[in-house]
Amino acid sequence: DAGVTQSPTHLIKTRGQQVTLRCSPKSGHDTVSWYQQALGQGPQFIFQYYEEEERQRGNFPDRFSGHQFPNYSSELNVNALLLGDSALYLCASSGTVNNSPLHFGNGTRLTVT
Amino acid sequence: GEDVEQSLFLSVREGDSSVINCTYTDSSSTYLYWYKQEPGAGLQLLTYIFSNMDMKQDQRLTVLLNKKDKHLSLRIADTQTGDSAIYFCAEWRPLSGGSYIPTFGRGTSLIVHP
Repeated sequence: DAGVTQSPTHLIKTRGQQVTLRCSPKSGHDTVSWYQQALGQGPQFIFQYYEEEERQRGNFPDRFSGHQFPNYSSELNVNALLLGDSALYLCASSGTVNNSPLHFGNGTRLTVT
Repeated sequence: GEDVEQSLFLSVREGDSSVINCTYTDSSSTYLYWYKQEPGAGLQLLTYIFSNMDMKQDQRLTVLLNKKDKHLSLRIADTQTGDSAIYFCAEWRPLSGGSYIPTFGRGTSLIVHP
């Protein structure tokens, strides 16, 4: 039973570029959430996708956008990258119930230079 | 995540008990979770407690909830070097419309020495 998988594991981009991160949820899960974890911080909620629509959004600018596909996998897109976007980006999946536990992937380490 | 408060570091000797504390802010939070993060990895779900419970025990882990003080603790019995990691407390905050947003603390770095 595969858990949450994310790709790529590491990525280096230049300021101003755009990046796409990918996530496949745990088998049986239909809800995907994305988090940004800066060094020494806890994960910060970016947004959550369910039934291919953004259900909730945290306090992140419109440069952060996402998508969910019919097979429940998801992408996180970040445009016009800033140095401050350097972080570990975590994807988490969960069941349909709103307060069901999150299962996290190992994350994508994004470095913006 | 700043609204969920945790101490940043805890150092214990192998075999002792570890107690990691957390305070949260929203009294209407229904579920409170503990996650573990090892270097280079994502967050691993350890345990959780529903807000109408005072205590939950799961093998070496004991969660205590004081809802009046909005205080949550995680006790690890017989702490081992493999327990060295960062531990995150998280509350599931309800929003209007029945949905929730998980809010995490900054994490407590547990160091276990021989």
